Parts: sequence; C-alpha cells; structure tokens
Amino acid sequence: QQQVKQSPQSLIVQKGGISIINCAYENTAFDYFPWYQQFPGKGPALLIAIRPDVSEKKEGRFTISFNKSAKQFSLHIMDSQPGDSATYFCAGWADSWGKLQFGAGTQVVVTP
Amino acid sequence: DVKVTQSSRYLVKRTGEKVFLECVQDMDHENMFWYRQDPGLGLRLIYFSYDVKMKEKGDIPEGYSVSREKKERFSLILESASTNQTSMYLCASSLWAGGGGYEQYFGPGTRLTVT
Repeated sequence: QQQVKQSPQSLIVQKGGISIINCAYENTAFDYFPWYQQFPGKGPALLIAIRPDVSEKKEGRFTISFNKSAKQFSLHIMDSQPGDSATYFCAGWADSWGKLQFGAGTQVVVTP
Repeated sequence: DVKVTQSSRYLVKRTGEKVFLECVQDMDHENMFWYRQDPGLGLRLIYFSYDVKMKEKGDIPEGYSVSREKKERFSLILESASTNQTSMYLCASSLWAGGGGYEQYFGPGTRLTVT
C-alpha cells in the first residue's frame, strides 16, 4: 500500500514552461515532506523540503505548495530548463515511523 | 561533501547465488539505508540501521539481510538471488536528528541483474 501517491508518472514541458507534480498522502503523522531529484545514472538528491506548519516554500525556481487539510502537496518548477530534466520523487516522514515513504516518481522532460 | 559509495555500478549474478552489495559513507552518519528502485514503484526501503550492529526491517525485507559491523559500512545480502530481485539498489546515509526530517545522501546505485 503506497502511503504517498504521486502524479503524473511522466511530464513533457517546453523550455520556459511550468512543471507541476502532485502528491497526496494518507498518514496524518507525516511532519516533513521532501522532494528528491534524480538524474540518469545518479542517486537521488534532496531538492527542497517543507514542514506542514507552512503552506508554501520557495527556493529559486522551485516551489512547494502544501495543503494540510487536503493532505496534498505539489512541486512547481517555474521557467523549466532542459537541465531540469530528471525524475522527481516526493516523500513523507513521520518520527513514529523513522523512515521516508517515497512516491512512485515523475519523469520530467523539458524540451528545448 | 558527503560521499556515499557503492561497491559496484553493475552486477550480473545467477539464480541461487549469494550476493553482497557494499556501501560506505565518509561523513560519520549514524543512519544508513538500503532501497530498491523499480519503474513505477519509486524507492522502497529494504532495511535500515541506526547504529553499528543494529538493523530494522523496512517495507520489503523478504529475501534480504544486512550487516553493519562498522559505522561507515552497511552491507546488503541476497542469500539466494532470484530473478525478481533484478533491480537498482540504492544505499543512503543521514545524520540522526531526534526531531526528524533530515537529508538522506544517496550513492549512485548498483544495477543488479539476476539471470
């Protein structure tokens, strides 16, 4: 049973466009929501993370929007660049679990 | 920079063989993790460890075991490899943060094929 559901599975966006990836979670004990970025041939790396006491966090062109009541959060990539082409994973963490629960991943392709 | 290294990038083994995947981190992290990555399934936790000689089962431990004899090294063992264990295996490490929510640093992965 997947605790974190991620969509879409893949996404193609033109350079300069906005990429949006959505995640929904079930475990209300989650209190930390990171996004990881993975390039081909590499391990995932932390991109940005949010805690549920804020509704939005922005770092450069990357923004997380968080809706606690709906148990949903999303990643927006503004002004998408070909270098953003990667697989993105959302995740949830709860102290009581002591481990990250990852979504299935979204492959983003940014065309020139 | 934190560095997590895995012993092999690619590995081909036969069904029934015992397989060892090694992971070493150089940042004195307390926590270490083994995941497998499969298309459409994301990253699934196999085992993790919060301290030397300590291990905890993750979500899919069946068919795997682990060993952590030294703080910097975490080994994943496939006792008798099967074709359904063909996958990408990722090791990760992190600091212990009692309040939760800490960054995991991943190795480059080992693509294991079992024939």
